[in-house]
Amino acid sequence: DTGVSQNPRHKITKRGQNVTFRCDPISEHNRLYWYRQTLGQGPEFLTYFQNEAQLEKSRLLSDRFSAERPKGSFSTLEIQRTEQGDSAMYLCASRYQGNTEAFFGQGTRLTVV
Amino acid sequence: AQSVTQPDIHITVSEGASLELRCNYSYGATPYLFWYVQSPGQGLQLLLKYFSGDTLVQGIKGFEAEFKRSQSSFNLRKPSVHWSDAAEYFCAVGAPNYGGSQGNLIFGKGTKLSVKP
Repeated sequence: DTGVSQNPRHKITKRGQNVTFRCDPISEHNRLYWYRQTLGQGPEFLTYFQNEAQLEKSRLLSDRFSAERPKGSFSTLEIQRTEQGDSAMYLCASRYQGNTEAFFGQGTRLTVV
Repeated sequence: AQSVTQPDIHITVSEGASLELRCNYSYGATPYLFWYVQSPGQGLQLLLKYFSGDTLVQGIKGFEAEFKRSQSSFNLRKPSVHWSDAAEYFCAVGAPNYGGSQGNLIFGKGTKLSVKP
């Protein structure tokens, strides 16, 4: 059990560029969540997967955001045409069906300049 | 809608002093409640959780929390703070059907803890 892994840890991009983040959950966890955390705020829910199915998306997930979990293992979060307001820490979490504890990765910090 | 309020944005305590971080939630049914800690630039680590049973729960690193339904509170306590406890602390409640393995966590805005030597 190596924990939830997120890559890259840091990303600086120019406004208008596309970025993609990756999350590798704990291997047996079938639930995977994406959260966004801005400065001075708690994490805010973006979307979650059960296996490969994306079951819920929050209103924060604009059309420029897309997430996938193609084989029910790792997940990617893509932001198209980044804006300065997208600057945040993007956190991934996973948990096993029937277990209430969610395990978080260390996050990807995105800075849009 | 569910919500979590952490009234204190920043707390400073002296090393060795006791600590209490406040958390109030808004939720109709018996909630799933959590406290997480986040060190700078890091992800979140679970300190403790509550969803049934004894209302006083023990967690890691010497932390405990007490669920008080009448006050809709789930305050985090530690009898003697160590310098290494300096971090940001988040209270969270599980969204509906969280116990059925669905649903996400709803977080408060966090309380930053500073520890004076």
